[in-house]
Amino acid sequence: DADVTQTPRNRITKTGKRIMLECSQTKGHDRMYWYRQDPGLGLRLIYYSFDVKDINKGEISDGYSVSRQAQAKFSLSLESAIPNQTALYFCATRGQGGEAFFGQGTRLTVV
Amino acid sequence: AQKVTQAQTEISVVEKEDVTLDCVYETRDTTYYLFWYKQPPSGELVFLIRRNSFDEQNEISGRYSWNFQKSTSSFNFTITASQVVDSAVYFCALTSNNFNKFYFGSGTKLNVKP
Repeated sequence: DADVTQTPRNRITKTGKRIMLECSQTKGHDRMYWYRQDPGLGLRLIYYSFDVKDINKGEISDGYSVSRQAQAKFSLSLESAIPNQTALYFCATRGQGGEAFFGQGTRLTVV
Repeated sequence: AQKVTQAQTEISVVEKEDVTLDCVYETRDTTYYLFWYKQPPSGELVFLIRRNSFDEQNEISGRYSWNFQKSTSSFNFTITASQVVDSAVYFCALTSNNFNKFYFGSGTKLNVKP
């Protein structure tokens, strides 16, 4: 099983719908992150969390919210999806050595 | 400000050629970490290497090698004798000592043709 698991892997949703992307990890890391990837833009940080009570906005948090339900779980919500939120979303954890461990990604399409 | 620049958007080579992917970074931190990640067509992000700012030794791992030069703020990645399986998007990334955030370059897409 993957150390960082994202569900769903693929999702098509309609404009205006609420959608939640879930992430769970078995690495025991405190730090978790949500990124989105768009062609030519690399990965951009949406939100990050250092523990259950510590949640921080990243560079592109507008239109998104997060919930850190437990050390191992960090979910990302789009309250009212819009087409320009179509992207590949990654959850990640950070280890003591600094490297990020990524989930397999969720490909979200908003139509 | 922290920034990572990968000026090469896309590179195409023929199998067995050597190829170098460029990465230039900006940071005011004296302690920082640099990374390379590989994203194959399947989409996952695979960690390749981490280098801290105090270690300028070049590293070689099989066909992969990395050249870290603080004087030019560069952390370049060379694949020797490229193979079709090397076709992927490669990302360079930077983080400071507190590991709060990763800063990613925009990626370089490598196409290795048979």
